Amino acid sequence: RKEVEQDPGPFNVPEGATVAFNCTYSNSASQSFFWYRQDCRKEPKLLMSVYSSGNEDGRFTAQLNRASQYISLLIRDSKLSDSATYLCVVNPKAGNNRKLIWGLGTSLAVNP
Amino acid sequence: NAGVTQTPKFQVLKTGQSMTLQCAQDMNHEYMSWYRQDPGMGLRLIHYSVGAGITDQGEVPNGYNVSRSTTEDFPLRLLSAAPSQTSVYFCASSTSQGEQYFGPGTRLTVT
Repeated sequence: RKEVEQDPGPFNVPEGATVAFNCTYSNSASQSFFWYRQDCRKEPKLLMSVYSSGNEDGRFTAQLNRASQYISLLIRDSKLSDSATYLCVVNPKAGNNRKLIWGLGTSLAVNP
Repeated sequence: NAGVTQTPKFQVLKTGQSMTLQCAQDMNHEYMSWYRQDPGMGLRLIHYSVGAGITDQGEVPNGYNVSRSTTEDFPLRLLSAAPSQTSVYFCASSTSQGEQYFGPGTRLTVT
């Protein structure tokens, strides 16, 4: 099993739709989790940190399920500008953010 | 606040040439990293640093050197470029909680 796995997609959704991505991780001791977005030929940008209690930022909601070892990202009311690749990142060690484990990303295309 | 800056944006090298990719950050972060990104491979860690004077190897360090003489700067040196080093290179600095901030990247082609 890969350390961090994501469905590569692509997810094609109409504007206004709700879409959810999951990301599974293999190390049950992993400490912290993040979602990044990456536009074509650009650098990854931090979207959200994922907290144990779950967190929400506008149209975006992130959840952590430690029992099943996955994190999720929910996007409501999708916009054209949400089209991007969404990368899941796992920090396997407490206090050690040097060797984060990156997923390969899930591609999202929001269509008019 | 410029965040993380990288130069150059594009570079073409011939096999065997050496060069240095520059990276600087103005967020006073202790942690800095270099990644390469290739199609289908995701981001792979080359080298990282936890503070001035301290560096360590990541997943794919061969063919690259780094140094960290100041908190702000973290240059990556290609010793003798090879076609396998054709890639996009990203520098990142991160908070102690692991939130990483990336530079715009350097697109390197080795012929």
